[in-house]
Amino acid sequence: GQNIDQPTEMTATEGAIVQINCTYQTSGFNGLFWYQQHAGEAPTFLSYNVLDGLEEKGRFSSFLSRSKGYSYLLLKELQMKDSASYLCAVYDSNYQLIWGAGTKLIIKP
Amino acid sequence: DAMVIQNPRYQVTQFGKPVTLSCSQTLNHNVMYWYQQKSSQAPKLLFHYYDKDFNNEADTPDNFQSRRPNTSFCFLDIRSPGLGDAAMYLCATSRVGRELVNEQFFGPGTRLTVL
Repeated sequence: GQNIDQPTEMTATEGAIVQINCTYQTSGFNGLFWYQQHAGEAPTFLSYNVLDGLEEKGRFSSFLSRSKGYSYLLLKELQMKDSASYLCAVYDSNYQLIWGAGTKLIIKP
Repeated sequence: DAMVIQNPRYQVTQFGKPVTLSCSQTLNHNVMYWYQQKSSQAPKLLFHYYDKDFNNEADTPDNFQSRRPNTSFCFLDIRSPGLGDAAMYLCATSRVGRELVNEQFFGPGTRLTVL
């Protein structure tokens, strides 16, 4: 079966750095997405990785290791508005998007 | 601004009473998706349209139907809603061409309550 694992919940402090991990087992791989979803709202696109390495976008960075089936999302200089769920999703060999259940990130002052 | 619009944002229906959710897009994307998402769970793909081609997920109940009358609009019909169908329904679009991978743009969702 196809599976994406993320921690259910994480807590961090405003101004700090947090890393949200994602591991996947899918039938093939055609890229990995990270989405942010605030409570009661739709997911919004954060990043896309298809090659190994780190992609940086302002305060957010995403890393991919295809050989390990592993990615992480790194959030720096945390702000209260970063409190949200972060969903990892992988395109498999059939270009089906497989979603993780998301990691709920709680930011404390 | 180009966007994905869903109406209504909140829908209440009674057990067994048919309901239709709508989605429209101004992005001119060729692919439209319907997802069901329950609290703290991953979005679950119900079906998608690649242009006019309808693709049903194997585990989508027959109770769920969809229509795409043109590029801009897509509807989700729930013929006989059960209590288990209460969820957030998300519409998404993407432009898929020779490069089959592209980000999906989501509408704000419709939260369905079944009484």
